Amino acid sequence: DIQMTQSPSTLSASVGDRVTIACRASQSLNSWLAWYQQKPGKAPKLLIYKMSILESGVPSRFSGSGSGTEFTLTISSLQPDDFATYYCQHFDTSSWAFGQGTKVEAK
Amino acid sequence: EVQLVESGGGLVQPGGSLRLSCAASGFTFSSYAMTWVRQTPGKGLECVSGITGSGDRTYYADSVKGRFTISRDNSKNTLYLHINSLRAEDTAIYFCAKDREGIVPDYFDYWGQGTLVTVSS
Repeated sequence: DIQMTQSPSTLSASVGDRVTIACRASQSLNSWLAWYQQKPGKAPKLLIYKMSILESGVPSRFSGSGSGTEFTLTISSLQPDDFATYYCQHFDTSSWAFGQGTKVEAK
Repeated sequence: EVQLVESGGGLVQPGGSLRLSCAASGFTFSSYAMTWVRQTPGKGLECVSGITGSGDRTYYADSVKGRFTISRDNSKNTLYLHINSLRAEDTAIYFCAKDREGIVPDYFDYWGQGTLVTVSS
């Protein structure tokens, strides 16, 4: 099965910062990669799917990119509402994999 | 408005069984694959089982194969997860999630609020 590894595990940033979260797959992927945001006590929220397509209603400061085994979620200018934990996720024919999560906290 | 409401969680002894339900509304339920995702503090998020809209294909994580059974009743707009031989490591919040595009359970655009399953003697 494919394993997904995110880095860093925790990221300290300030409002207005450009934030980048990495997700590495154990083998080359097709474009089936999604990113989710989760806040404490809430269900995850889909931000990006198929690696770079922004989900409806998600602010344009979020973007996704990558290829092969290396993928990135970027927040162009961090806003107060963006402090949360972010997960990458892959589906491949019959199995899923989530990254372990990256917590974005206030510096 | 899409709504997913899970129920059926609780405290269960090791080796016990449980049936989780997810009542769906606000979309054409039979047109969308659905998935159960669980979350634990230690292991994070884990998809445990998925099912196509018609119910003709099911998917299971290796960690639950043979113990979990996913099913759906499209006439009742309800998704189920039957869990047998519960183990301590099955303790988690269980979410049901709707597939974004419908066919296979790959990305999830709507989630329920979750139901807590605790396995302990």
